[in-house]
Amino acid sequence: GEDVEQSLFLSVREGDSSVINCTYTDSSSTYLYWYKQEPGAGLQLLTYIFSNMDMKQDQRLTVLLNKKDKHLSLRIADTQTGDSAIYFCAESRNTGGFKTIFGAGTRLFVKA
Amino acid sequence: NAGVTQTPKFQVLKTGQSMTLQCAQDMNHEYMSWYRQDPGMGLRLIHYSVGAGITDQGEVPNGYNVSRSTTEDFPLRLLSAAPSQTSVYFCASSADRGPSNIQYFGAGTRLSVL
Repeated sequence: GEDVEQSLFLSVREGDSSVINCTYTDSSSTYLYWYKQEPGAGLQLLTYIFSNMDMKQDQRLTVLLNKKDKHLSLRIADTQTGDSAIYFCAESRNTGGFKTIFGAGTRLFVKA
Repeated sequence: NAGVTQTPKFQVLKTGQSMTLQCAQDMNHEYMSWYRQDPGMGLRLIHYSVGAGITDQGEVPNGYNVSRSTTEDFPLRLLSAAPSQTSVYFCASSADRGPSNIQYFGAGTRLSVL
């Protein structure tokens, strides 16, 4: 995906926190998303944040947004083996109708 | 609830063959799209539709055709398959094309072109 960048791999131990980072370039993006893709499956929306928010928490998930630096992060507390998946950052960009731009995805490995 | 259904799940083609990837959704969503996913790259938009009878090109449309005769169905056609089209293809739908634009994805079609 154009202009949404993520690191490709992250490895953590079970029970630790995982932090997946993302940078984007369009300051006018209104919504930013995290999608999760499990092996052999399509993407599923995990959480999203509106651009006027700094933080959103949903159970084990915390999303932080730094609009000044165009940086988005997803923190997973108490990471479990079931969290092993690819996590995609995405932004909603206004191109005369809103278009979703995806990053390349971060593959999270959780070691037991 | 079926959501977004894609068929087939796997397909192997020879160079030059044609085929249609099927996509159907039962959520009465107006907006549907096709993406391809390649290693190390994000999802790239191939074609999209904002409603029955209306389609438009995404960022990588060459070699692919689409049509939208009903709200439910959005097939993707490869007219003459090439090895560069080896990829995983995802169909997605959403209720609208507004800023919230939460998309629902099918399970994907894994295509190999030899």
